[in-house]
Amino acid sequence: GAVVSQHPSWVICKSGTSVKIECRSLDFQATTMFWYRQFPKQSLMLMATSNEGSKATYEQGVEKDKFLINHASLTLSTLTVTSAHPEDSSFYICSASPQSFSSGNTIYFGEGSWLTVV
Amino acid sequence: KQEVTQIPAALSVPEGENLVLNCSFTDSAIYNLQWFRQDPGKGLTSLLLIQSSQREQTSGRLNASLDKSSGRSTLYIAASQPGDSATYLCAVRPRRGSTLGRLYFGRGTQLTVWP
Repeated sequence: GAVVSQHPSWVICKSGTSVKIECRSLDFQATTMFWYRQFPKQSLMLMATSNEGSKATYEQGVEKDKFLINHASLTLSTLTVTSAHPEDSSFYICSASPQSFSSGNTIYFGEGSWLTVV
Repeated sequence: KQEVTQIPAALSVPEGENLVLNCSFTDSAIYNLQWFRQDPGKGLTSLLLIQSSQREQTSGRLNASLDKSSGRSTLYIAASQPGDSATYLCAVRPRRGSTLGRLYFGRGTQLTVWP
């Protein structure tokens, strides 16, 4: 079964509204989670690193005021796309690991969320 | 910066063929390399994980090899089936960099196996 759960799997929202995506680690604690985005026929690109109890670290070119990340507990990180526009339509996916990232342990991915902004 | 390249971008073969998908990466300082499968409209399914100290991993009809020094990995699919049709992604986890735990992905190889 899945060790990282992501919700919702599919979401359609109107342009200008906000949408929240949740990423939960099941049966383990994750101090760090990662959010990726994938445009059609492109690679998955890291958007930001979500750190429990502190601010997220954003990759260059990702608007932190548009993509709000909250990691309020050791099992939950949320990504909120604010004032969504059609160009934000994409596949968003999170990842987490039950152990320290300083080792070579397996990283688990959520099921991903398909966002369509109309 | 780590860059991951996958060749070919797309592949269409008849059922039963043996296939080789290629992945190359620019920085050999990696913890591991992972192959994923992505079905249309779906998330990622991890197929094989090769640690940097390993040369290959096998799971059923899948075999992945890793040549870290040359920055290459191959995914071998034996006796392909229509159900193997999907996009196959290669990802490496770097040992160095400011963000431990992140993966660098290739663009994938879109595989179609027709009956």
